[in-house]
Amino acid sequence: AQTVTQSQPEMSVQEAETVTLSCTYDTSENNYYLFWYKQPPSRQMILVIRQEAYKQQNATENRFSVNFQKAAKSFSLKISDSQLGDTAMYFCAFVTNPGGYQLTFGKGTKLSVIP
Amino acid sequence: NAGVTQTPKFRVLKTGQSMTLLCAQDMNHEYMYWYRQDPGMGLRLIHYSVGEGTTAKGEVPDGYNVSRLKKQNFLLGLESAAPSQTSVYFCASSYWRGSGANVLTFGAGSRLTVL
Repeated sequence: AQTVTQSQPEMSVQEAETVTLSCTYDTSENNYYLFWYKQPPSRQMILVIRQEAYKQQNATENRFSVNFQKAAKSFSLKISDSQLGDTAMYFCAFVTNPGGYQLTFGKGTKLSVIP
Repeated sequence: NAGVTQTPKFRVLKTGQSMTLLCAQDMNHEYMYWYRQDPGMGLRLIHYSVGEGTTAKGEVPDGYNVSRLKKQNFLLGLESAAPSQTSVYFCASSYWRGSGANVLTFGAGSRLTVL
């Protein structure tokens, strides 16, 4: 069975600083996708970034980037220049590809950005 | 486009009552999912559908039934509600292939309380 572990239940960061959220996963598959989703207090789940396992280059989306270490099964999210609007729960998720239907989510990290 | 719409957004039930949550998507997505979110547990998959007329069990299917009679709709039913089903329920949908494969678009969530 695939598992996703987020070892930091809560984190805080000063506005404009950089923070890294950790995620590790366990799978015997070689081809898969990894995701970070954000859930602000509004409860809406929003895709932050996606990484395909066969791509060695780390994905980036504006201030968000990942450090994907396939051998170590690690997928951390770095948020640069943190903003108050980044305050949210962040979930790491994993799905095998092709043919994967079931995303497996971690339990989440609650990030607070402090003014 | 509305994306994924869930109704109702809030509901209070008494133990033993039944109800149906409705999910509608207007993106022509093939895959649809129902998740539940509980504090400290992340998101757990209840049931999913890979196409009209097909459904399958996820991680926590007991006590729930689903139907997908039309491609755009995915219904989640509780036949006899129990307090353990108090949760926030999320519907999601995705394409099955291409650049959008496995990228979930979520509804806003439905908070269900069973007394």
